[in-house]
Amino acid sequence: GDSVTQMEGPVTLSEEAFLTINCTYTATGYPSLFWYVQYPGEGLQLLLKATKADDKGSNKGFEATYRKETTSFHLEKGSVQVSDSAVYFCALRSSSNTGKLIFGQGTTLQVKP
Amino acid sequence: DAGVIQSPRHEVTEMGQEVTLRCKPISGHNSLFWYRQTMMRGLELLIYFNNNVPIDDSGMPEDRFSAKMPNASFSTLKIQPSEPRDSAVYFCASSSRTSGADTQYFGPGTRLTVL
Repeated sequence: GDSVTQMEGPVTLSEEAFLTINCTYTATGYPSLFWYVQYPGEGLQLLLKATKADDKGSNKGFEATYRKETTSFHLEKGSVQVSDSAVYFCALRSSSNTGKLIFGQGTTLQVKP
Repeated sequence: DAGVIQSPRHEVTEMGQEVTLRCKPISGHNSLFWYRQTMMRGLELLIYFNNNVPIDDSGMPEDRFSAKMPNASFSTLKIQPSEPRDSAVYFCASSSRTSGADTQYFGPGTRLTVL
C-alpha cells in the first residue's frame, strides 16, 4: 500500500543554519504531496503542497520539489529561525483516493539561538 | 473564519467510563477526518466521512470506538468503555474539494487521559 518515510529526528540546528528534512514515498499513480507543521500544543497546519511531478511548493521560506524519479519530496529552508521549532510531517494523497492522507512519522526540529 | 472546533480540549476520565469527543468542521467543507496521535504510533487516521457518510473506518481500533456525523456541521467520536491505552490526542480535520488538492484543516485537538 501507499506509504511515506521521513528521516528520523530530532534534528537540532543553530539559528540561520540550512535545513533539509528528507521524505520519500511509495504510491501508485500520481499522488499529491504535502508538508504539514505542528507547533507545540497545536493541531497540524498545511505548510506547502505539490500536485504533480516537478512542481515546487513554497511557503514561509520553506520549499519542497516533487521528484517522481526519486519518489521524494524533501523539505528545505535556507536559514532557520528559533520560531521554526516544531514537528514536520510529510504526507501524500493517493490519486485514486477520495481524500485520505497518508502521513509520515514526523520529524522534530529544534532550532537553538 | 472560524477553523475546525473541537471540544473538550482536555478530558480526564477513569477506565470504563464513556468518553465523547466533539467536532465542528469548517462551514462548507464536505469531508471530515478523525485522527489519533500518540508517541508510540504517531498520527493514525481512525475514520473519515464524505458528505456525512462514513467512507473508511478501517483505522478504528475496535468496537469500543464509534463515530457519527448526523449533519454537515457536527461529528462525534465515542469511546465506550474507555481504557488507559486510549490516552492520546485526538484531532478532527475537515476539507473541501474546492479548497484545493484536498487540503485538510486540523482542529486544536482533544487531549484524552484515561486513568
